[in-house]
Amino acid sequence: DQQVKQNSPSLSVQEGRISILNCDYTNSMFDYFLWYKKYPAEGPTFLISISSIKDKNEDGRFTVFLNKSAKHLSLHIVPSQPGDSAVYFCAASEGQAGTALIFGKGTTLSVSS
Amino acid sequence: NAGVMQNPRHLVRRRGQEARLRCSPMKGHSHVYWYRQLPEEGLKFMVYLQKENIIDESGMPKERFSAEFPKEGPSILRIQQVVRGDSAAYFCASSPKTGGHTEAFFGQGTRLTVV
Repeated sequence: DQQVKQNSPSLSVQEGRISILNCDYTNSMFDYFLWYKKYPAEGPTFLISISSIKDKNEDGRFTVFLNKSAKHLSLHIVPSQPGDSAVYFCAASEGQAGTALIFGKGTTLSVSS
Repeated sequence: NAGVMQNPRHLVRRRGQEARLRCSPMKGHSHVYWYRQLPEEGLKFMVYLQKENIIDESGMPKERFSAEFPKEGPSILRIQQVVRGDSAAYFCASSPKTGGHTEAFFGQGTRLTVV
């Protein structure tokens, strides 16, 4: 039973436009959410996170939105750049100090120039 | 400051052999996490260790898998009598403090292929 779901395996966007990656979760005990970016043959790199006490967190071109009632979060990248092409994983944990991260299956983002 | 180092990067084992995956955490980090990524899947938590202690092994298969993080040296993930289903990418992450998973840095992974 998948607790974190990324229903879109892939997304294609033109350079300069907005990329929106979505993530749904089922476990109401999750209260900390993270996005990781992964290039082929490399480990995941932390991108941005959000606590459940917030509904938005912004860092440069990256913004994460959290809708707790819908158990949904999204990552917005604007403007998108070709270097953003990678696999993006959504992850969740029970508290920032939780020991295990639960990952979604990932969404492959392709940004064309 | 070197990042999390995993070796080997690629490992090929025949069915029934043993696989040993090593992870050297970042300098100053005493907490290590192991994850496994099967093809077309997300990363799945396996085990969380501190120096000389296993803190959470809830994601470890009950048989054939073990992990350690000795006082000196790297953390080792050991898979005995490997089977084809063990073929995956195994990632290690390290962090400097308890529960600091959100500040964990991942290594490049070891890709295990069982033939």
